[in-house]
Amino acid sequence: GENVEQHPSTLSVQEGDSAVIKCTYSDSASNYFPWYKQELGKGPQLIIDIRSNVGEKKDQRIAVTLNKTAKHFSLHITETQPEDSAVYFCAASRTSYDKVIFGPGTSLSVIP
Amino acid sequence: GAVVSQHPSRVICKSGTSVKIECRSLDFQATTMFWYRQFPKQSLMLMATSNEGSKATYEQGVEKDKFLINHASLTLSTLTVTSAHPEDSSFYICSARTSGVGEQFFGPGTRLTVL
Repeated sequence: GENVEQHPSTLSVQEGDSAVIKCTYSDSASNYFPWYKQELGKGPQLIIDIRSNVGEKKDQRIAVTLNKTAKHFSLHITETQPEDSAVYFCAASRTSYDKVIFGPGTSLSVIP
Repeated sequence: GAVVSQHPSRVICKSGTSVKIECRSLDFQATTMFWYRQFPKQSLMLMATSNEGSKATYEQGVEKDKFLINHASLTLSTLTVTSAHPEDSSFYICSARTSGVGEQFFGPGTRLTVL
């Protein structure tokens, strides 16, 4: 089955700096890669996703890149703000309709 | 946007009792609902997938007789933890998806503590 790894497990950045989280996946049949933000005591929220027919996608301060050959995908947050502090999960599935397998998560702290 | 609610948000029960958690899609019809379990500082682990009107599909290692899932309507799924024990204490999160849209919308989670 699919296995998703994620690095780093914790990340601390100064406000205004960029944050990068990297993930790898094992199932070459995976084609859908969502990213979730989870605040303490809450459920995860989808912040951006990317499909295998696209190499990069951007939404304001957030961007994702996908290297399907290497089975790598990354989340980039620019101009970080304290409210970006949360746990971020990458995930993978074969299609957006299939079950999603989550990575272990990255705890991001943005220091004011 | 699509909203998913869970009830209760927190529950404390004694060992050996059963607990029911509800997951509702408030403004859309959820043809598929997923149940996850999350231990402190860990990732979400999928427990089961349920399609409206069908039996749930459980992930390997999840006891279907212990974690009863019912998806009787397009807006409601329930998870019943039967004969709960302290090791069942966890954060249970549901998500819902409608046909035609792949994105899963997550509920706020239910914190279960078994004494």
